[in-house]
Amino acid sequence: EIVMTQSPATLSVSPGERATLSCRASQSVSSNLAWYQQKPGQAPRLLIYGASTRATDIPARFSGSGSETEFTLTISSLQSEDFAFYYCHQYNKWPPSFGQGTKVEIK
Amino acid sequence: EVQLLESGGGLVQPGGSLRLSCVASGFTFRNYALNWVRQAPGKGLEWVSSISPIGVSTYYADSVKGRFTISRDNSKNTVYLQMNSLRVEDTAVYYCAKSFVTEADAFDIWGQGTMVTVSS
Repeated sequence: EIVMTQSPATLSVSPGERATLSCRASQSVSSNLAWYQQKPGQAPRLLIYGASTRATDIPARFSGSGSETEFTLTISSLQSEDFAFYYCHQYNKWPPSFGQGTKVEIK
Repeated sequence: EVQLLESGGGLVQPGGSLRLSCVASGFTFRNYALNWVRQAPGKGLEWVSSISPIGVSTYYADSVKGRFTISRDNSKNTVYLQMNSLRVEDTAVYYCAKSFVTEADAFDIWGQGTMVTVSS
């Protein structure tokens, strides 16, 4: 099983600042990597797939990069609605696996 | 509007059974793989099971293999998760999620989830 490790566990950021979240895979997942946003009491929402392609209706301030084992989700200027949990997900190899999540909180 | 709506959750004793359902609307159901993902209280996301567009191929996490069965009825736009021999550690919100296309894919649409509590 591919283990996905996200860092940091918690990221404290002021509104308007840039946030950088990391996700590392225990072996190569090529570009088969997705990012999701989840707010309390809600279902996850797909942000990024194929490591760098924004999903439908996702604002341009969200961007993804990386390949193989190292990936980054960048939120260029945090808005109030962006404070949430973020999960990475590899779908390159069975079983699919998620990172443990990064909480982005208001500083 | 593309939508997934889960039902069937509830409180069950250890060793008991439940069947979850997920009804889809707004897309051509038979063309897409479907998945179940769960989230224990206060924890992260855990993939549970997937089924191919016409139901020929199914996949399970080791933690549920032999106890859970995924199936689908394309005439009813519905995917099911039959859960037997339930354990306390199966307590979670269970989400139905649509794959972009195939089984090995990102999950582009999620339902609102249904809570399963396993407790005596």
